[in-house]
Amino acid sequence: DSGVTQTPKHLITATGQRVTLRCSPRSGDLSVYWYQQSLDQGLQFLIQYYNGEERAKGNILERFSAQQFPDLHSELNLSSLELGDSALYFCASSVQGGELFFGEGSRLTVL
Amino acid sequence: TQLLEQSPQFLSIQEGENLTVYCNSSSVFSSLQWYRQEPGEGPVLLVTVVTGGEVKKLKRLTFQFGDARKDSSLHITAAQPGDTGLYLCAGGDSGAGSYQLTFGKGTKLSVIP
Repeated sequence: DSGVTQTPKHLITATGQRVTLRCSPRSGDLSVYWYQQSLDQGLQFLIQYYNGEERAKGNILERFSAQQFPDLHSELNLSSLELGDSALYFCASSVQGGELFFGEGSRLTVL
Repeated sequence: TQLLEQSPQFLSIQEGENLTVYCNSSSVFSSLQWYRQEPGEGPVLLVTVVTGGEVKKLKRLTFQFGDARKDSSLHITAAQPGDTGLYLCAGGDSGAGSYQLTFGKGTKLSVIP
């Protein structure tokens, strides 16, 4: 158990819909990272927050957005979903760089 | 964009055999991490190497960071079924106050009893 909690574990939805993925980081970790994992692209960095502020952006689509709340939990919002958005979405947390602790992921299936 | 190439993509070996997987990049990284991911779980850190030429051993696993800090290898001695999983390397880079990890696509290892 990494201490990082992600919900939901599985999500099935239709194209055009919007979903929200939630992440609770390890106690004391201020940084939250979101990654997308697909079979052909591997683990792709989406976005990082540190203590409520956006710190870095990776390959995140404009249809996707995220935020980190004062209690440090984070949400990743995916809208206007397309078939190609089907993937595993991981949240990871860290104190400040260094080792990332990953949650078990949210598997999104877009039909 | 920094890219990490891992090879081989897939590896299936018998229990007791030795193996080496590789992680290569054209970019220099400040650190290199290896993670192992099992089905249905997130990646778990195995080791971090930060110095060019560094070698770290973790029981039957030996990790090496290239002298130029662009490549790394993971050698497993006498592989066991419990070693089965997806091995990911990740290059670390600190810039603009943020620590970023770039992941390779991984090597999927199957160890057959």
